[in-house]
Amino acid sequence: GQNIDQPTEMTATEGAIVQINCTYQTSGFNGLFWYQQHAGEAPTFLSYNVLDGLEEKGRFSSFLSRSKGYSYLLLKELQMKDSASYLCAVRDDYKLSFGAGTTVTVRA
Amino acid sequence: DARVTQTPRHKVTEMGQEVTMRCQPILGHNTVFWYRQTMMQGLELLAYFRNRAPLDDSGMPKDRFSAEMPDATLATLKIQPSEPRDSAVYFCASGVQGAQAEAFFGQGTRLTVV
Repeated sequence: GQNIDQPTEMTATEGAIVQINCTYQTSGFNGLFWYQQHAGEAPTFLSYNVLDGLEEKGRFSSFLSRSKGYSYLLLKELQMKDSASYLCAVRDDYKLSFGAGTTVTVRA
Repeated sequence: DARVTQTPRHKVTEMGQEVTMRCQPILGHNTVFWYRQTMMQGLELLAYFRNRAPLDDSGMPKDRFSAEMPDATLATLKIQPSEPRDSAVYFCASGVQGAQAEAFFGQGTRLTVV
């Protein structure tokens, strides 16, 4: 099975940078995903890592270290609309298992 | 605009009643997931289908829950009988089997059992 840990909450100021860490233990590994979920809405895909290193996509970047079982999501130039829950998910052969999510609050 | 469609969006039912939730995956997707989300447990995987075949339903309470895919355009999740502890948001997600294929989520069914 999988064990996925991420912080419960983070608060940051508009325009700042926030880094959300995710550690995982899994019996098999076939990719790590980050999803964003606004309150009352469905999760939406943000990023995917399967090899070690940094993937950059606009204001969002995601990093993976498979040997350490570690990933982070970096949100730059924070905007109020970035206030949401960010979910780390690990896939083994097919099963996509989610962490509990990190609620990010962006303050003016 | 391709999207996963779930019905109903909201359901309030009395304990003991049968509940059926429906999901229309994105056309061409061959994998379907059912998840349940609560504040306490987060997103829990209930069932997984590939090419309409159930590959994993280990997360589902077998005595009251059942999941099926009668055809490629319809997935159903049924609870019989429902209990108050089943109150949650149930999400369906679909995707294409493959390396970078992400799962696309429907808007969910918010179930309240009273």
